[in-house]
Amino acid sequence: AQKVTQAQTEISVVEKEDVTLDCVYETRDTTYYLFWYKQPPSGELVFLIRRNSFDEQNEISGRYSWNFQKSTSSFNFTITASQVVDSAVYFCALKKGSSNTGKLIFGQGTTLQVKP
Amino acid sequence: EPEVTQTPSHQVTQMGQEVILRCVPISNHLYFYWYRQILGQKVEFLVSFYNNEISEKSEIFDDQFSVERPDGSNFTLKIRSTKLEDSAMYFCASSAQGQEREELFFGEGSRLTVL
Repeated sequence: AQKVTQAQTEISVVEKEDVTLDCVYETRDTTYYLFWYKQPPSGELVFLIRRNSFDEQNEISGRYSWNFQKSTSSFNFTITASQVVDSAVYFCALKKGSSNTGKLIFGQGTTLQVKP
Repeated sequence: EPEVTQTPSHQVTQMGQEVILRCVPISNHLYFYWYRQILGQKVEFLVSFYNNEISEKSEIFDDQFSVERPDGSNFTLKIRSTKLEDSAMYFCASSAQGQEREELFFGEGSRLTVL
């Protein structure tokens, strides 16, 4: 069975602090894809990043960075120098590699509040 | 930038009533999906749809639910006889080729409140 766990329900930081959102996944598939989505207060789900199981290179995009570690089945997301606009619910999600049905398994989400 | 649009943004209905939620996927996308999010909970897969057929559905997607692509642009989710527990945010999504590595593009959601 596939599962995604985001153990941090809520995180509160002060602007300019760095914050890491944890994501741990379970799957028996050798090929799979991991995603992060952001859900701002307006409600839509915004795609942030995709990673496949064969690519363990970390990625940096501006203030965002992602650390994929297959050995610990984790795909953590770090925001550097957080800003108030980063306040949102962040979801980690998993898709099996053989899936052409678009079925994403989401974690419970982490609510990030960035205070000025 | 192309986007997925959903209507209505919020619908309130009485238990037992039929509801149709509408979505306009991104125009050149071929794969369509519905997800739902009960308030405060995680986003759950309902159904995927390609070539006028359901590709996969979850156990949530029982006989009370149906999907349709009535024309070349709309994709609808119908709930025949709503229950209180159907109250949720329903997200429509689409992807271009349906490949496993592709991200899904989500709409802003339709909030359904069943009284």
